[in-house]
Amino acid sequence: AQSVTQPDIHITVSEGASLELRCNYSYGATPYLFWYVQSPGQGLQLLLKYFSGDTLVQGIKGFEAEFKRSQSSFNLRKPSVHWSDAAEYFCAVGPDNAGGTSYGKLTFGQGTILTVHP
Amino acid sequence: DAMVIQNPRYQVTQFGKPVTLSCSQTLNHNVMYWYQQKSSQAPKLLFHYYDKDFNNEADTPDNFQSRRPNTSFCFLDIRSPGLGDAAMYLCATSREGRAFNQHFGDGTRLSIL
Repeated sequence: AQSVTQPDIHITVSEGASLELRCNYSYGATPYLFWYVQSPGQGLQLLLKYFSGDTLVQGIKGFEAEFKRSQSSFNLRKPSVHWSDAAEYFCAVGPDNAGGTSYGKLTFGQGTILTVHP
Repeated sequence: DAMVIQNPRYQVTQFGKPVTLSCSQTLNHNVMYWYQQKSSQAPKLLFHYYDKDFNNEADTPDNFQSRRPNTSFCFLDIRSPGLGDAAMYLCATSREGRAFNQHFGDGTRLSIL
C-alpha cells in the first residue's frame, strides 16, 4: 500500500530564511506527488504537483519541490520565507491509474506545521 | 469566482442526532470527494463520486452516507454521530482526466455535544 511520511511535525524558521520540508513516499510504481497548504480553519490549497518529466517543479507562492526517485523523496523548498507562509503543509501521493477502485484517491502525510518568527 | 463551497462552516449537533453537511461547486467537475480530518491528523478519504457512481472506502463507517443529487451538490449524512465523529469535514472536486488536481472547500467543523 502507498504511504507518505513527513518526518518533521513542526518546523520553526525566521522570516527571510530558507525552508525545506521533507516528504518520503512508498509506492510501487511511478507516483503522482503533491504538496498542499492548509491555513487554520481553511481547506487545502494545491501548491504544486509532479506527474512526470522535469523532476524540479515550480509552484505557487514561490515554492518548488524536487522529485528524487532514488531517495523516494519529494521535498518542498522556498528560498525566503514570508510570515504569511505560516500554515500546515501536507505531502500527498496519488495512484498512477485513473480508473478502478483507487480512482482519485490521495494518501496524505501527517503534515508539517510551519511557524515563522519575525 | 468558481469554487467549492461548504455549508455550514461550523456545525454543532447532539450525540446520536442526525446531521447533514453540504457541498456545492461551480467548477462543473464530475468527481466529488469527502474527507474527514481530525485534529492534528491528515485528511482521510471517506468516499467519492465519479458522476453518479459512488465509491466507498473500505474503512468508512456505515454511519456515514452520501448523496449527490446533481453535478453541483453533494451531501454528507451522519446518521447517528458519536463523539469520535467530531472533526473537520472537507469536500473536494476534480475534473475527469485530471483526477488528482483536487480543489478543496474550506471545510465544515463538526462538534458533538
